[in-house]
Amino acid sequence: DSGVTQTPKHLITATGQRVTLRCSPRSGDLSVYWYQQSLDQGLQFLIQYYNGEERAKGNILERFSAQQFPDLHSELNLSSLELGDSALYFCASSTRQGAGEAFFGQGTRLTVV
Amino acid sequence: DQQVKQNSPSLSVQEGRISILNCDYTNSMFDYFLWYKKYPAEGPTFLISISSIKDKNEDGRFTVFLNKSAKHLSLHIVPSQPGDSAVYFCAASGTGFQKLVFGTGTRLLVSP
Repeated sequence: DSGVTQTPKHLITATGQRVTLRCSPRSGDLSVYWYQQSLDQGLQFLIQYYNGEERAKGNILERFSAQQFPDLHSELNLSSLELGDSALYFCASSTRQGAGEAFFGQGTRLTVV
Repeated sequence: DQQVKQNSPSLSVQEGRISILNCDYTNSMFDYFLWYKKYPAEGPTFLISISSIKDKNEDGRFTVFLNKSAKHLSLHIVPSQPGDSAVYFCAASGTGFQKLVFGTGTRLLVSP
């Protein structure tokens, strides 16, 4: 158990809909990262927050947004969903802003039908 | 631009033998490298890391080697066990980087 909790584990939704994925980082970790893994491909970095502030953005679509709340949990919002958004979405947390080990949650498997 | 590359999508090894997984990187600003193991339907699990000031780091059956001049690192697993069968991701980060940059992964199959 990495200590990072993601909910829900599975999500099935229709095209055009909006969903929210939730992540609770390890106790004490200030950094939260979101990654997307499609079809057994590599992990694509989406966005990073550190202590409530956005610190880095990757290849995140404009239809996607995220935030980190004062209690350090984070949410990833995906809107106007398309079939191609079907993927595993992972959250990771670490103690520092960059470098060092990041610990991953179990992921949320999103299926858009 | 793939800054971290794992050119072998898969590797098959017999139990008890050595598994060698390779990773190349292009960005000379990377100074910290990690290996993660991932089982299906689970999140990646941190395995071992190495700082650029070292050329080797060992943890039990796992050893990571870093060749900075070649921008190459490798993970050695000795002896390999069937439970090691998983996808292994190489990742890199560095000063000024706010994220881990991952390779595409190598699927290791260890057969009894």
